[in-house]
Amino acid sequence: AQTVTQSQPEMSVQEAETVTLSCTYDTSESDYYLFWYKQPPSRQMILVIRQEAYKQQNATENRFSVNFQKAAKSFSLKISDSQLGDAAMYFCAYRSPPTGANSKLTFGKGITLSVRP
Amino acid sequence: KAGVTQTPRYLIKTRGQQVTLSCSPISGHRSVSWYQQTPGQGLQFLFEYFSETQRNKGNFPGRFSGRQFSNSRSEMNVSTLELGDSALYLCASRRTGGENYGYTFGSGTRLTVV
Repeated sequence: AQTVTQSQPEMSVQEAETVTLSCTYDTSESDYYLFWYKQPPSRQMILVIRQEAYKQQNATENRFSVNFQKAAKSFSLKISDSQLGDAAMYFCAYRSPPTGANSKLTFGKGITLSVRP
Repeated sequence: KAGVTQTPRYLIKTRGQQVTLSCSPISGHRSVSWYQQTPGQGLQFLFEYFSETQRNKGNFPGRFSGRQFSNSRSEMNVSTLELGDSALYLCASRRTGGENYGYTFGSGTRLTVV
């Protein structure tokens, strides 16, 4: 079974600074998908960024980028120019490829990010 | 474009009762999944439905069940509620077809069992 580990329960960053959230995972599959989701106090999980394991290029979405290290099974999220609205809980998630029967998301425990003005 | 709609937003039930939660996916999304979120266990997968069929089920007791209708709307039911069932229940929908379409989540239903 796949597992996702987020070892840092909390992090804090100064507004306009850069912060990196760590995530490691364990799998025996060679093809899979990885996601970062943001959950603000409104409770809705918002997709931040996604990465396909077969792609060597790291995904980027505006101020958000990932450092995907497949051999090390590491998938960290970098937030540049942090904004107050980035304060939320962030979850790293794993999903098997859609051709498999196991299409569920496996989540890490999450990390609470606070942004200091 | 409307998002994933979950109703109700909040619910308070008594132990032993049963509850039904509803989820309307984004138009065109045929896959609907349910997750339970608690402070202790985090986010745990309950089940996934596609074309009215349950495709995958998490490790939850039989008191947890669900179904999907022909319009892709889904309901989940919890019978004989226990205090430990208090949680945020999240529904997610996604497009299907072989691409890596991410899941879109609703705002959840907060269930409190007293």
